[in-house]
Amino acid sequence: NAGVTQTPKFRVLKTGQSMTLLCAQDMNHEYMYWYRQDPGMGLRLIHYSVGEGTTAKGEVPDGYNVSRLKKQNFLLGLESAAPSQTSVYFCASTPGTVSYEQYFGPGTRLTVT
Amino acid sequence: GEDVEQSLFLSVREGDSSVINCTYTDSSSTYLYWYKQEPGAGLQLLTYIFSNMDMKQDQRLTVLLNKKDKHLSLRIADTQTGDSAIYFCAERGRTGGFKTIFGAGTRLFVKA
Repeated sequence: NAGVTQTPKFRVLKTGQSMTLLCAQDMNHEYMYWYRQDPGMGLRLIHYSVGEGTTAKGEVPDGYNVSRLKKQNFLLGLESAAPSQTSVYFCASTPGTVSYEQYFGPGTRLTVT
Repeated sequence: GEDVEQSLFLSVREGDSSVINCTYTDSSSTYLYWYKQEPGAGLQLLTYIFSNMDMKQDQRLTVLLNKKDKHLSLRIADTQTGDSAIYFCAERGRTGGFKTIFGAGTRLFVKA
């Protein structure tokens, strides 16, 4: 199993550009999450999904959109990037309600200039 | 809303014990976790405790939970340089997709 993978690993965008971050998991997990990590602030939840075709807003959803068209993939989109979105983005997944653990991807470091 | 707080830095000498503390606000928490993050990597689960337990021991790790005070601690015995990392306290509630709320992370420095 590859676990949770994220592409790309690094990206530099100019203000106003758009991009999509891809998260893939091969563990047949139901729940998937997108977080951003900023210095001194821990991880903050952007959006999450409790199953294929469903998404929900987390703590800091503004400026981001997500889609879960296939169970194994969770996409995070930035339509018009802003410098405030410079961060490290982590995807995570968990089997479902009985699980106690989230499995994390290696992260995507995004810089918006 | 729910909040998890922990101190940002801890420095210990190799061989000493490390104690990382955390407080949380959500009284409906079901699971409380400690994750470890090494440089350039994602988070990995270190240990966890169910909310109806007081203590859990796992080799060099001891987790203590005081539900009344909403206080969680992680003790690492015989701390090694390889334990240098950021440690995140997190709690998981019963609603909203079983979201996990993370603290800001405690950076542990181990001096040889």
